[in-house]
Amino acid sequence: EAGVTQSPTHLIKTRGQQATLRCSPISGHTSVYWYQQALGLGLQFLLWYDEGEERNRGNFPPRFSGRQFPNYSSELNVNALELEDSALYLCASSYQLLAGVSPYEQYFGPGTRLTVT
Amino acid sequence: KQEVTQIPAALSVPEGENLVLNCSFTDSAIYNLQWFRQDPGKGLTSLLLIQSSQREQTSGRLNASLDKSSGRSTLYIAASQPGDSATYLCAGAITSGTYKYIFGTGTRLKVLA
Repeated sequence: EAGVTQSPTHLIKTRGQQATLRCSPISGHTSVYWYQQALGLGLQFLLWYDEGEERNRGNFPPRFSGRQFPNYSSELNVNALELEDSALYLCASSYQLLAGVSPYEQYFGPGTRLTVT
Repeated sequence: KQEVTQIPAALSVPEGENLVLNCSFTDSAIYNLQWFRQDPGKGLTSLLLIQSSQREQTSGRLNASLDKSSGRSTLYIAASQPGDSATYLCAGAITSGTYKYIFGTGTRLKVLA
């Protein structure tokens, strides 16, 4: 079974530009989560999508946004990039309340390293 | 505000030792607690998931326990090996309000050969 995949692996942008990160969940998973892991800081919850809708977002400004497509893959968009947006962005997926499967167990992708110069 | 704290922040042990990593959370409204390992610059690998109705889970040399009343979870690693060297993170799924995961600060483990 293929795991969570993310693209690109690395992304270099300059201040003010926009970045788009992509995530494909494990087959059968309907929920996608995005996290930011800045150097020296812990994992911060960004966004949660399920069945195409945004279910929850963390304490991040509106220039962090995303969407989930009908095939459950997801995009994270970061507008007006700032230097402090440089981080490893991790995507995770999970089932939602399927009988016989532990709900909410998250499986992570390898991440996208975003560098803003 | 829910917080998840991990102690110690860093740990260095000789190969073969048994060790315990601690995770404390401030809110008992935890649906489940998941332990992960993260290798440098990589994503997270799920190790164990404990549901709120469970007290412990075991996988190979790993055993994780959950005590909601005291707000604590522990990850026990038996007979540690150099390949266990990584950062270990715990995360609690919070369902008060709306669902989200809160991650701990992590414990950096180094097992010396």
